[in-house]
Amino acid sequence: AQTVTQSQPEMSVQEAETVTLSCTYDTSENNYYLFWYKQPPSRQMILVIRQEAYKQQNATENRFSVNFQKAAKSFSLKISDSQLGDTAMYFCAFKAYNTDKLIFGTGTRLQVFP
Amino acid sequence: NAGVTQTPKFQVLKTGQSMTLQCAQDMNHNSMYWYRQDPGMGLRLIYYSASEGTTDKGEVPNGYNVSRLNKREFSLRLESAAPSQTSVYFCASSDLGDTEAFFGQGTRLTVV
Repeated sequence: AQTVTQSQPEMSVQEAETVTLSCTYDTSENNYYLFWYKQPPSRQMILVIRQEAYKQQNATENRFSVNFQKAAKSFSLKISDSQLGDTAMYFCAFKAYNTDKLIFGTGTRLQVFP
Repeated sequence: NAGVTQTPKFQVLKTGQSMTLQCAQDMNHNSMYWYRQDPGMGLRLIYYSASEGTTDKGEVPNGYNVSRLNKREFSLRLESAAPSQTSVYFCASSDLGDTEAFFGQGTRLTVV
């Protein structure tokens, strides 16, 4: 069975600074997908970034980038130039290639301070 | 374009009562999911359906049943509600692969 672990329940960062959120996962599969979702207080789930396991190049989306280490089963999210609007819960997620099962970690609450 | 629609948004049940949470998507997605969200526990997968006519257990299926009525609809049933099922429930849908999952607005369920 796959598992996703986020070891940082809470993080804080000052506006304009950089923060990295950690995520590790466990799976015996070779092909899969990884995601980071953001959940602001509105409870809406917003996709931040995605990564396919067979792609070695780390995904980037504007201020958001990942450090994907397949051998270490690690998938961290780096937020550069943090903005107040980045304040939210961030969830790491794993999606199995052959079953489409989508599971989430326990989340990291990020607070951006002015 | 409505996306994923969940009903109801709020519900209070007495212990032992039953209810069905409804979910419908209009994006022609193959996969649909039910999650519960509890403080400190993240989103935990209850059941999922990779295609019409199939359902599979997730991480916390006990006390729940699901029905994939057709490609659009995926319902979650609590046969005999317990206080431990007090939670916020989310339905989601996605297509195969690395496609984004779309979520409903959530149902806040309280069992007293």
